[in-house]
Amino acid sequence: EVQLVESGGGLVQPGGSLRLSCTTSGFIVSGNYMSWVRQAPGKGLEWVSTIYSGGTTYYADSVEGRFTISRADSKNTLYLHMNSLRPEDTAVYYCARGGLTPRDWGQGTLVTVSS
Amino acid sequence: QSALTQPASVSGSPGQAITISCTGTSRDVGGYNYVSWYQQYPGKAPKLMIYEVSNRPSGVSDRFSGFKSGNTASLTISGLQAEDEADYYCSSYINTATPYVFGTGTKVTVL
Repeated sequence: EVQLVESGGGLVQPGGSLRLSCTTSGFIVSGNYMSWVRQAPGKGLEWVSTIYSGGTTYYADSVEGRFTISRADSKNTLYLHMNSLRPEDTAVYYCARGGLTPRDWGQGTLVTVSS
Repeated sequence: QSALTQPASVSGSPGQAITISCTGTSRDVGGYNYVSWYQQYPGKAPKLMIYEVSNRPSGVSDRFSGFKSGNTASLTISGLQAEDEADYYCSSYINTATPYVFGTGTKVTVL
């Protein structure tokens, strides 16, 4: 059974940093396209970042230069390193597995950026 | 990349059929057959309901169907049930550097 579990969210001050983790089971992270998608309170879904199976990474313009997606193959885990956080980064962050369609999603972890 | 356009809300009575539209451009919805639809209950993760325009994952009711014409995709829910009340989002592949764009979301209300 495919499972994705996010962790690492919390309250952080503007300008701060946070690392989100997505622990997986039932599949090999390095063999899949893995993404982070976020949802601000009361808002829609927004693609944040993707790491392809070959290791190439891409980011939305809104997080380019501040966020870094990575994976630990030995732990079958996906990460999102977030720096220079802004209030507008406040959202539930989901990790998702999929090729050209995000198929499997975690339950999400809430990141709140506020002083 | 702008979000795909969906109606903010759609409603229907139990047993009726409703259709949700998702309008994009030739660079996304119109350019690829990688349109998907997600159902989301409050406080829960999105659930894939339709992929590649009209395919249903295993376990999804056949009351859900998808279609695409030009730059507009649509999701039809037939035989509307109380459990269908949720938010629905469409998504389309764009390109390698921006793999996904999502719709603005539609709240479905069962009257």
